[in-house]
Amino acid sequence: EPEVTQTPSHQVTQMGQEVILRCVPISNHLYFYWYRQILGQKVEFLVSFYNNEISEKSEIFDDQFSVERPDGSNFTLKIRSTKLEDSAMYFCASSEGGGRTEAFFGQGTRLTVV
Amino acid sequence: GENVEQHPSTLSVQEGDSAVIKCTYSDSASNYFPWYKQELGKRPQLIIDIRSNVGEKKDQRIAVTLNKTAKHFSLHITETQPEDSAVYFCAASEEYGNKLVFGAGTILRVKS
Repeated sequence: EPEVTQTPSHQVTQMGQEVILRCVPISNHLYFYWYRQILGQKVEFLVSFYNNEISEKSEIFDDQFSVERPDGSNFTLKIRSTKLEDSAMYFCASSEGGGRTEAFFGQGTRLTVV
Repeated sequence: GENVEQHPSTLSVQEGDSAVIKCTYSDSASNYFPWYKQELGKRPQLIIDIRSNVGEKKDQRIAVTLNKTAKHFSLHITETQPEDSAVYFCAASEEYGNKLVFGAGTILRVKS
């Protein structure tokens, strides 16, 4: 069964450093998303991406965040200057056709900012 | 924007009993309502979803009901088993939007 894959599974970084989280969505999917989940809290939407551009972003997704689809398979989330409060599990997801079709989640990257 | 409320936050049931988790949403434009199960340290996995053109959907021991007028939907798990223990999240999505807005989650514990 096709899966969304994310790397790394765990990343520890110093405050102020840049991190790049990587995702490979399911190959025939057209919509890509990043969500985050702070420990013990709900899953929160960060950004959606379609047709090589951001289609929607939340207030969490400020200027420190960016997304890119550098080639035909990868989808990345960059945090330019990490803060302690960026520590969370980051999930990538993809879907075939937008909000009305099933979103498949990756296994997540646990980001720890120290 | 959309806001999804979920209750209860924790639910303990005896093995074999039923469990019901309820969610309400605020945006009448929302038309897609999935339920995700998340085991500790793992990814959310879709267990069932419902679209606005139906009022109920069932898949073996799991069912979801939707009341669009009242803007609420519920997850029903019958004959619960210990492996049903997990965090369950409801979510809502607009018909032409493409993000999921999640509820706060329900920790379900099934006691054997």
